[in-house]
Amino acid sequence: DVQMTQSPYNLAASPGESVSINCKASKSISKYLAWYQQKPGKANKLLIYDGSTLQSGIPSRFSGSGSGTDFTLTIRSLEPEDFGLYYCQQHNEYPFTFGSGTKLEIK
Amino acid sequence: EVQLVESGGGLVQPGRSLKLSCAASGFTYSNYVMAWVRQAPTKGLEWVASISTGGGNTYYRDSVKGRFTISRDNAKNTLYLQIDSLRSEDTATYYCAKDGGYYDGFYYFDYWGQGVMVTVSS
Repeated sequence: DVQMTQSPYNLAASPGESVSINCKASKSISKYLAWYQQKPGKANKLLIYDGSTLQSGIPSRFSGSGSGTDFTLTIRSLEPEDFGLYYCQQHNEYPFTFGSGTKLEIK
Repeated sequence: EVQLVESGGGLVQPGRSLKLSCAASGFTYSNYVMAWVRQAPTKGLEWVASISTGGGNTYYRDSVKGRFTISRDNAKNTLYLQIDSLRSEDTATYYCAKDGGYYDGFYYFDYWGQGVMVTVSS
């Protein structure tokens, strides 16, 4: 199975700041990485797929980069509603695997 | 508006069975690969199974092969997950998820249900 190592585990930032979350795959997954946001009481939300393609309806302050084994989710100019849990997921091969998650909190 | 609504969860004794359902609406259900993803309490997300548009091809993670069966009824726009021989480690919230690709699976999930809790305990 492809292991996905996500960092940092916790992240604290203030509204208006920019943050980055990293995801490292144990082997090359080409460009096939997705990012999700999870918040209590809400359905999980797809942010990015294919490494850098912004899902329809997602604000442009979210961006994804990387290929092969190393990927980054960047959120510019944080808004209050951006705080929550973020997960990466490789969608290159079975079994599809997720990172362990990053909790983005208000500083 | 895409909606995925899971049902069928609950408290179940180890070794028993349970069948989860997911009612889909707001899109042409028969044209999309569907999946189940679970999340144990305080843990991360874990892909469980996927099913092709016609239901003829199914895929499972190793830890559930032989115990879980994913199926779909395209006439009823409903996805199912039959869980047999339940174990304590199956305790989780189970999410129904729609694949982001049209007809072929792209294996990222663009819509998720709110999830249904399954607790396995005696």
